[in-house]
Amino acid sequence: EVQLVESGGGLVQPGRSMKLSCAASGFTFNNYDMAWVCQAPKKGLEWVATISYDGSSTYYRDSVKGRFTISRDNAKSTLYLQMDSLRSEDTATYYCARQGREWYFDYWGQGVMVTVSS
Amino acid sequence: DVQMTQSPSYLAASPGESVSISCKASKSINTYLAWYQEKPGKTNKLLIYSGSTLQSGTPSRFSGSGSGTDFTLTIRSLEPEDFAVYYCQQHNEYPLTFGSGTKLEIK
Repeated sequence: EVQLVESGGGLVQPGRSMKLSCAASGFTFNNYDMAWVCQAPKKGLEWVATISYDGSSTYYRDSVKGRFTISRDNAKSTLYLQMDSLRSEDTATYYCARQGREWYFDYWGQGVMVTVSS
Repeated sequence: DVQMTQSPSYLAASPGESVSISCKASKSINTYLAWYQEKPGKTNKLLIYSGSTLQSGTPSRFSGSGSGTDFTLTIRSLEPEDFAVYYCQQHNEYPLTFGSGTKLEIK
């Protein structure tokens, strides 16, 4: 059974950093691209970033370029999102998702809440 | 960026009825359109990808159609477990973008 379990969320002040993790199990992690998708309170879904199966390619939405870094450790079957220079508008639930070969998301985690506030 | 316009935002229906949800892209995305179901306490579920291909495990009462810019999700003979929020997502190009969602409620 595919499982994606996020951790590392919480309350953080504007301008500070936070690192999210996603532990994957139930599939061969290094065969799949992985992504982060967020959802602000009472809003819709927004794609944040994608990393290729081997970590060689990364893609970001414009609003997080230069501030967020997606990475992975295939030996640990873990996906990460390093979030720097956080802003109030980054407040959201962040979901880890397995990305299919054609760029849809076939499995999702339960999500982790990140609140950016002073 | 490809803007995805989903309608309606809210939809009320009774079990046994059929409903359709529309998703329009701001430019052609070929057939690269996915549909997801969001329910409280559950992980998001991929229903359909590439416009009309049912993900393994998706009941056959769900169907997807369309190409280019206009797409439709149809649910025939609604079951109680179908009342949820539905999102479309274009998977044709980066940045990947979602529709704003449709909340399907019991009438």
